[in-house]
Amino acid sequence: NAGVTQTPKFRILKIGQSMTLQCTQDMNHNYMYWYRQDPGMGLKLIYYSVGAGITDKGEVPNGYNVSRSTTEDFPLRLELAAPSQTSVYFCASSYSRATEAFFGQGTRLTVV
Amino acid sequence: QQQVKQSPQSLIVQKGGISIINCAYENTAFDYFPWYQQFPGKGPALLIAIRPDVSEKKEGRFTISFNKSAKQFSLHIMDSQPGDSATYFCAASKPDKLIFGTGTRLQVFP
Repeated sequence: NAGVTQTPKFRILKIGQSMTLQCTQDMNHNYMYWYRQDPGMGLKLIYYSVGAGITDKGEVPNGYNVSRSTTEDFPLRLELAAPSQTSVYFCASSYSRATEAFFGQGTRLTVV
Repeated sequence: QQQVKQSPQSLIVQKGGISIINCAYENTAFDYFPWYQQFPGKGPALLIAIRPDVSEKKEGRFTISFNKSAKQFSLHIMDSQPGDSATYFCAASKPDKLIFGTGTRLQVFP
């Protein structure tokens, strides 16, 4: 049972480059989330989705884009990477909004 | 603006002691309050959760106390063990969003 799978686990980007962080879940969850985790700042919500075709901004959406074409996949796109986007990114999913959220293992991104 | 405020940032407790982590929120639209535990290199995992119609919930050594009028809730870890050493996050949910606090790094020494 895979749960929530994130790829890649590590990535180094140069300033101005773009990349897509992949997230897929096999639990048929409706809700999916992207968070970034910075030391002392907790987990900040970037974008979330309540179902295929529906996405909305979280607390810190600037510099990111998402899409949700299927229930399983929720990729996060970084355009024009900046050093401020150096962080650990977590994808999570849940069956509904007030139920357990399952997290992936995270992607450690460094922008240099 | 931090929607869910968590304290302390770090906590050191001796084995067998009680660990207490506090959280506060402003938005009364929040209606589900989970706590997550995170070990280094791993994603957070649900520990225990409470809804605002309940003042306390206990699961083993872990207890959530909830004060709706004060808009505060706390996690108590009884008989703390070295294996409890981790980062703990409180969170709050309002329609469709799950918002986290800043985290508390707990270290339990033998």
